[in-house]
Formats: sequence, structure tokens, C-alpha cells
Amino acid sequence: GAVVSQHPSRVICKSGTSVKIECRSLDFQATTMFWYRQFPKKSLMLMATSNEGSKATYEQGVEKDKFLINHASLTLSTLTVTSAHPEDSSFYICSAPGTNTGELFFGEGSRLTVL
Amino acid sequence: GENVEQHPSTLSVQEGDSAVIKCTYSDSASNYFPWYKQELGKRPQLIIDIRSNVGEKKDQRIAVTLNKTAKHFSLHITETQPEDSAVYFCAASITFSDMRFGAGTRLTVKP
Repeated sequence: GAVVSQHPSRVICKSGTSVKIECRSLDFQATTMFWYRQFPKKSLMLMATSNEGSKATYEQGVEKDKFLINHASLTLSTLTVTSAHPEDSSFYICSAPGTNTGELFFGEGSRLTVL
Repeated sequence: GENVEQHPSTLSVQEGDSAVIKCTYSDSASNYFPWYKQELGKRPQLIIDIRSNVGEKKDQRIAVTLNKTAKHFSLHITETQPEDSAVYFCAASITFSDMRFGAGTRLTVKP
């Protein structure tokens, strides 16, 4: 099946710095990718829809200047957490719809810890 | 927008017993209902899904039922095994962009 790879799997950064997380579709093209945030023992909350060649669509309450999304190619979307604060610490996970399967494939997730 | 509620939040069963997880949704236009299994620290993986033109779907020990009138759908796992222990999420959507997930059910299967 289709594979979505996310990097890094874990990242620790200091407060005030920026962190970039990559999401790649390895064996298929994805014009659309999704970014979620997952709090401990909670569900997946959609943050934004990443669109190749155009601006991302953010969900209500998600700061677009805080969480920068760039969909540079048909296989890569990046999420940059800018000026990170401890409250940004979370598990971030991306997904992409398979080309012909109608199924959503998830990346491994990235655990961000902001000190 | 869509709102998905999932129950129970935790479920503990004895190996070999059945487990049932229930979800309700609010948007009658939703037509795709997947179930995902997420093991600790890993990615969610699709285990079964159902579309609104079908009332029931089965895949070995896993089955999903959908009641469109009542707007609820359920996951049934029979003959549970310890490796079934995980968090299970239901979801409802019309398109992937509006997919909303339930809060999750932590299933523990005791050997």
C-alpha cells in the first residue's frame, strides 16, 4: 500500500526557536495532505489542509502565522512551528489520501517537545 | 460541521470475548466511515471502512455496521486477542478535508 513518511519522529527544541516537520508520500503523488495535532490520550484534531501549489487551508482557531505549511511538491509538505512555546509540545501527524484507494494514509507522527 | 462522538473511552475484555465500540455522527451528508487502530506512539492504520450505501461489512474478526437513519455506526471485534489492544478511532466524512475523528477507545485485551 501507499506509504507516508514523516521526519523527524522526535524533536526537542528551546522556547522561541522554529521547528520544521516534513511529510512525504513515498510511492504516490499527493496534491493534498493533512496535518493533525494529537494531545495525549486524545483524538486527532485537523489543523490544516496542505494544497500543492497553493495556500494551505487552516481550521478555525489555528494560527497560520504560527504553523506555517508549505506544499513544495507533489510528494512533500512541511509544517514549521514558529517561535515555539512549551504549549506547542504535542504529537503532530500528517496524512495523505491514496491515489486510487480512497484511503487516508498516515505518517509515523512527530513528537515535539519545547523546553 | 461534523461532530463525532465515540463510546466507550476505555474497554477491557478477556481474550476470546467480543468488543463493541460505538460512534454517532451529526452530519447526515457524511458518507464515509473508517475505523483506525493506533498502537502506542505509532501511526493510525485503517482496519475497516464502510460507505453509506452499505449497512454492514465484515473482514475476518472485524465487522462494522452502519445505521444511517440513526446516524450511528459500530465496530465489532470477535475472538479478541492481546494484539488487538490499542486505541481505536472512528471517523466520519464526506471528503477527506472534512473528516472528523471520534475521541478514541482504548481497548485492552487481557490474556
